[in-house]
Amino acid sequence: EVQLVESGGGLVQPGRSLRLSCTASGFTFGDYAMSWFRQAPGKGLEWVGFIRSKAYGGTTEYAASVKGRFTISRDDSKSIAYLQMNSLKTEDTAVYYCTRITFDPWGQGTLVTVSS
Amino acid sequence: DIVMTQTPLSSPVTLGQPASISCRSSQSLVHSDGNTYLSWLQQRPGQPPRLLIYKISNRFSGVPDRFSGSGAGTDFTLKISRVEAEDVGVYYCMQATQFPHTFGPGTKVDIK
Repeated sequence: EVQLVESGGGLVQPGRSLRLSCTASGFTFGDYAMSWFRQAPGKGLEWVGFIRSKAYGGTTEYAASVKGRFTISRDDSKSIAYLQMNSLKTEDTAVYYCTRITFDPWGQGTLVTVSS
Repeated sequence: DIVMTQTPLSSPVTLGQPASISCRSSQSLVHSDGNTYLSWLQQRPGQPPRLLIYKISNRFSGVPDRFSGSGAGTDFTLKISRVEAEDVGVYYCMQATQFPHTFGPGTKVDIK
């Protein structure tokens, strides 16, 4: 069964950092580009960023709202994608989801709350 | 950025009756590779999103055939032929033709 599990969320103060993990199973992780999305409480879905597979250079794309603060990386040997979030703002409060480039499946998400 | 709009934003439906959601993009979603990367996702209350339709009209594995997608260019439609109780939730169209990927605001489907 193809599965994605996000972890690493929690309560963090503005200006601090947090790293989220997306652990994959049930498929050849290295063959797929991966995306991160988020959903603020009671709001719609927002794309955060994307990392290509190594076969396509492993390069990244980011939403303007997080560019320069967030970094996506991947460890294909562990089947994990990471979202390093620096200089966090209150408006980054959201449930963060990861998914494959095929947009299936979606994990249950991990909640990040940025508050003093 | 490509702006996605959806109508209606709310759709109360009688069980067993059809429902239709329109999605419009601010520019053509035809990619240089010839594909149109327009997807529909369902989000049931308290659940993560779930892929229903990809590339306009392709139903994802396990999705009931009462769901169908159509359209081209900048205008797209999701139809539910006969709404069931489990279809309650918010439906999003999303474009992945161009970065940043963008979503419509969502259409809330509930039962009258």
